[in-house]
Amino acid sequence: SQKIEQNSEALNIQEGKTATLTCNYTNYSPAYLQWYRQDPGRGPVFLLLIRENEKEKRKERLKVTFDTTLKQSLFHITASQPADSATYLCALDQDDKIIFGKGTRLHILP
Amino acid sequence: DTEVTQTPKHLVMGMTNKKSLKCEQHMGHRAMYWYKQKAKKPPELMFVYSYEKLSINESVPSRFSPECPNSSLLNLHLHALQPEDSALYLCASSRNLAESSYNEQFFGPGTRLTVL
Repeated sequence: SQKIEQNSEALNIQEGKTATLTCNYTNYSPAYLQWYRQDPGRGPVFLLLIRENEKEKRKERLKVTFDTTLKQSLFHITASQPADSATYLCALDQDDKIIFGKGTRLHILP
Repeated sequence: DTEVTQTPKHLVMGMTNKKSLKCEQHMGHRAMYWYKQKAKKPPELMFVYSYEKLSINESVPSRFSPECPNSSLLNLHLHALQPEDSALYLCASSRNLAESSYNEQFFGPGTRLTVL
């Protein structure tokens, strides 16, 4: 079965810099890959979806890339702010459901 | 209305109690989900309903019993739980199941369950 690896459990970034989070998967390339944000004690919130035939997707300060050769997606937050501090989860499809990676806890330091 | 609501927000129950978690959405979504999330872990899928029918049961113990009375409501009935069942229980919905991988899931705020 598919495995998802978000290789940084926690990441500290200085305010104003670009935060880059990594999501790797092990088996077949998913048709789609999603990124969610989760704040403590709350449900995840959808951020972006990227299809396997798309190299890059942007939304405001967010950018996602998808490299099916490397089996990897990168999630970038530019001009990071303390309010961006949260856990970021990548998710991909498997058998009519989505499975989540363990997430990366991002701390933006003022 | 793009909100999924869950009640109660917090629940404390003993191992012999029977309780229910409730979830509601009015976005016309036809797929609804229950997830369990432990601290510092990702959400784990428990059940999926598609058009009010149970579509996926991820080998969840029978002390958890889901119910989908109509297209807007999803319940999770709890009976004889164990302390290790303490977790955040999340409900989610999406437009439909067949397109679940490329439709975003809308999550509720969750119910924080503590089993004593």
